[in-house]
Amino acid sequence: AQSVSQHNHHVILSEAASLELGCNYSYGGTVNLFWYVQYPGQHLQLLLKYFSGDPLVKGIKGFEAEFIKSKFSFNLRKPSVQWSDTAEYFCAVKNQGGKLIFGQGTELSVKP
Amino acid sequence: GAVVSQHPSRVICKSGTSVKIECRSLDFQATTMFWYRQFPKKSLMLMATSNEGSKATYEQGVEKDKFLINHASLTLSTLTVTSAHPEDSSFYICSARDPGLAETRNEQFFGPGTRLTVL
Repeated sequence: AQSVSQHNHHVILSEAASLELGCNYSYGGTVNLFWYVQYPGQHLQLLLKYFSGDPLVKGIKGFEAEFIKSKFSFNLRKPSVQWSDTAEYFCAVKNQGGKLIFGQGTELSVKP
Repeated sequence: GAVVSQHPSRVICKSGTSVKIECRSLDFQATTMFWYRQFPKKSLMLMATSNEGSKATYEQGVEKDKFLINHASLTLSTLTVTSAHPEDSSFYICSARDPGLAETRNEQFFGPGTRLTVL
């Protein structure tokens, strides 16, 4: 079965620290990859997406992610986090059937 | 653009009653909407795909008679939790695709979710 794995359940960082959240998926076909963010009390918002082309994609709010096909990975990065980045982050894969499969989420807490 | 709303945002009901949750696409027409369930500290689990004018497609393990989905118009899908029990308490989220926008055709836009608590 297709699955998405996020290795970190809860990450705690100080402001200005660098961030990398891991995401691995198990699906051998063509995939569309997404990172969503859910701020406290708010709905899911798209941070960035990868469909094809340059495997390094840039999203909103200074986030970027790199698609490494050989590793089935799509890790999210940000060079310097802010307190306002405190949120839940979800990696997701859309398979050829059109369904979004989500990882279990990573809670990011940024200390001011 | 591409805004999805849900109503109500939170509902508390007694065990055995039915609860209806609405999902609306506010500024676009959505032929397909999706219903997810999110457990505390867990991921979103796709429950069903709602297709305008036809029956919903349910994921394996999701009871069709328990979670009734109706997609009667291009801007509204409803999820009715019938004879709710405490184990149905959860956060229900809908999403929709906007087929009219080429650049976002493969994206889903999410509603704010509905917190259901069954006593």
